Amino acid sequence: AQSVTQPDIHITVSEGASLELRCNYSYGATPYLFWYVQSPGQGLQLLLKYFSGDTLVQGIKGFEAEFKRSQSSFNLRKPSVHWSDAAEYFCAVGAAGTYKYIFGTGTRLKVLA
Amino acid sequence: KAGVTQTPRYLIKTRGQQVTLSCSPISGHRSVSWYQQTPGQGLQFLFEYFSETQRNKGNFPGRFSGRQFSNSRSEMNVSTLELGDSALYLCASSSGAENHEQYFGPGTRLTVT
Repeated sequence: AQSVTQPDIHITVSEGASLELRCNYSYGATPYLFWYVQSPGQGLQLLLKYFSGDTLVQGIKGFEAEFKRSQSSFNLRKPSVHWSDAAEYFCAVGAAGTYKYIFGTGTRLKVLA
Repeated sequence: KAGVTQTPRYLIKTRGQQVTLSCSPISGHRSVSWYQQTPGQGLQFLFEYFSETQRNKGNFPGRFSGRQFSNSRSEMNVSTLELGDSALYLCASSSGAENHEQYFGPGTRLTVT
C-alpha cells in the first residue's frame, strides 16, 4: 500500500537549534518526494522536491532534505531554526505525470524563543 | 502575478444541502487539483483537472464532483452534505509541466451543521 509516515506529530525546538523532521514512505513506483509547509490560515508552500539525481536537495528558507532509498526516507533538516519557522510541515509522495500526491499527517513545529 | 484564489473562504451549510467551491488558478496554469484537509484524515487528494479534463481522481464518493472551464478556473461540488464533509478544501494550480510545482490557495473552510 502507498503511504507516507511522519512519526512526529509535534516537535518543539529552541530558536537557533538544529531541526530534523522525519518522513518515511511506501510507494510502488519511483517516488517523487516533496516537503510542504503550512502556516496558520494559509495554504501549503513547497519547500523542496526530489525527483532524481543528487540525494541531498536544497530548498527555500534554508531547508534541505536527504533521500535515502535504502531506508525509504526523506527527512527534512535545517541547521538553525528561526521563530518564523513555526508551522506545520507535510511530506508528500507522488509519481511522474500526476499530481495525485499522498501526504503524511504532518508535523507541527513549535519554536521556543 | 496573482496567486491561487479560492472563494468563498468560509462557508456554513446544513446537512443534506449541496455546495459549490471555486478556484481560480495562477494565470497560465492549466492544471488544478483539489484536496480535502481534516484533522483526522489529513490531506487527501480529491481530483485533478487539466485542460478541462479530469486526469486523476481520489477515493471519494460520487457526491464529490468537479469541473474545469476553458479559462482553467475550476469548481468542485459536494452534494447531500454530511457532517464529515466539514473540512478545509484546498485547491492547487500548476502549469502541468514536469517540474511538479504546485501552488496552493488559502482554502475554503466548509462547516456542515
